[in-house]
Amino acid sequence: ILNVEQSPQSLHVQEGDSTNFTCSFPSSNFYALHWYRWETAKSPEALFVMTLNGDEKKKGRISATLNTKEGYSYLYIKGSQPEDSATYLCALMDSNYQLIWGAGTKLIIKP
Amino acid sequence: GAGVSQSPSNKVTEKGKDVELRCDPISGHTALYWYRQSLGQGLEFLIYFQGNSAPDKSGLPSDRFSAERTGGSVSTLTIQRTQQEDSAVYLCASSTGQWVYNEQFFGPGTRLTVL
Repeated sequence: ILNVEQSPQSLHVQEGDSTNFTCSFPSSNFYALHWYRWETAKSPEALFVMTLNGDEKKKGRISATLNTKEGYSYLYIKGSQPEDSATYLCALMDSNYQLIWGAGTKLIIKP
Repeated sequence: GAGVSQSPSNKVTEKGKDVELRCDPISGHTALYWYRQSLGQGLEFLIYFQGNSAPDKSGLPSDRFSAERTGGSVSTLTIQRTQQEDSAVYLCASSTGQWVYNEQFFGPGTRLTVL
C-alpha cells in the first residue's frame, strides 16, 4: 500500500516570510506527483504536476521541486501573503493512474 | 467554461434516511472521482469512473454506499440508511482521462449532515 506523508501537519508563518514543506513518498515505480491548494470553503485546485526527477515548477511566488530517487518533493512559498493561507495537498499517482493523497499541510499566514 | 458542479450544496438528513448526491463533471471529461472529507480529516477516496465503468470501488466504506454514472456524464452517489458517521463534505472531481498529467478539477462539494 502506497503511503504519502506530508510534514509538518500545520504551519504558522509571518506575512512576508518564506516557507517550505515536504511531501514524502515511496521512491520505487514513480509515475507522477501532484500538488494541490485547498482554501477554506473552496475546492482543491491543482498547482503542479511533476513527473521527472529534478523537476522544478514555478507559479508566481510558489515553486516545487522533485526528487524521485529519494522520494520527496518540497513546496516553497516566497514572501508569504494572507491569501496563501490554505491546506496544501500532495498526491502520488500510482500504476492505475489513481492519486494517493497525503493528509496535507495547513498553512496559516499571520498578518 | 463551466466547471464541475454538485448538488445539493448542503443536505441535512435524519439517521436512517437515504440520500442521493449528484455530480456534473466538466463536459468531455471521461474520468470522474468521488471523495469525502470528514471533520478534521484529509481527502478520502471513495470511487472513480472511467466512462460509465467503475474499475475501483475499493474506497466505498460500506455496502450502504453505491454510485453510478450514466452517459459518461452525470454521476450520483447514494447513501442508504445514513449514519451519523456519514456526515462529511462529499467532493466530486473530473479529469480528461487516465494520464499522469491529468489534473483533477473539483466541484464545490456537498456538505452532508446526518442528525
